[in-house]
Amino acid sequence: QSVLTQPPSVSGAPGQRVTISCTGSSSNVGAGYDIHWYQQLPGTAPKLLIFASSNRPSGVPDRFSGSKSGTSASLAITGLQAEDEAHYYCQSYDTGLSGSVFGGGTKLTVL
Amino acid sequence: QLQLQESGPGLVKPSETLTLTCTISGGSIGTSHSYWGWIRQTPGKGLEWVGSVYSSGSTYYNPSLKSRITMSVDTSKNQFSLNLSSVTAADTAIYYCARIYSGNFYHHLDYWGQGTLVTVSS
Repeated sequence: QSVLTQPPSVSGAPGQRVTISCTGSSSNVGAGYDIHWYQQLPGTAPKLLIFASSNRPSGVPDRFSGSKSGTSASLAITGLQAEDEAHYYCQSYDTGLSGSVFGGGTKLTVL
Repeated sequence: QLQLQESGPGLVKPSETLTLTCTISGGSIGTSHSYWGWIRQTPGKGLEWVGSVYSSGSTYYNPSLKSRITMSVDTSKNQFSLNLSSVTAADTAIYYCARIYSGNFYHHLDYWGQGTLVTVSS
């Protein structure tokens, strides 16, 4: 059972828009800590995709965007491409653990 | 460009101690707004924070592992290390080291090592 809650899977056709949700609690997102998103392609390390809820590191396409409301956040991917097929994880900081917490991950399938 | 590289044995026997080292290049372990962490991923499963260490030597551990874990830094070598004792098959995982960039209300992992698979088996 992960501290942050994500749907196990989402899917969409090329060109479509998909969203992935992430819900936290009072000890992490509810305590004011931001949510960050990572993309993990098969056989590779996770890669920072969105930080501080809605900011993209250099080199991340603007097809990827993030938002946050209350204790939840969402990752949106527009103009879906085959190369976007991957696992996506959300992450935050938890005051109870004094460390990072992750969502269980969402497998994105491009149909 | 910061780079991190994990090193250590790929096979550890049950009840023994797992030791991994992360070597940082392209930057200093003492860089401001930075601390360092270990994250593991069991095959087919999600990500689990193992622990974090600051360049000062301060440590924070996942409570589920706290009795078995020790982390340390060697600033002269720009490295930090993980020791996990009394390992069992449940500790078999890919172990990643990462830089955690921190601000007032954000702590995100912006640089990751490639990961190293550690198998616990006799």
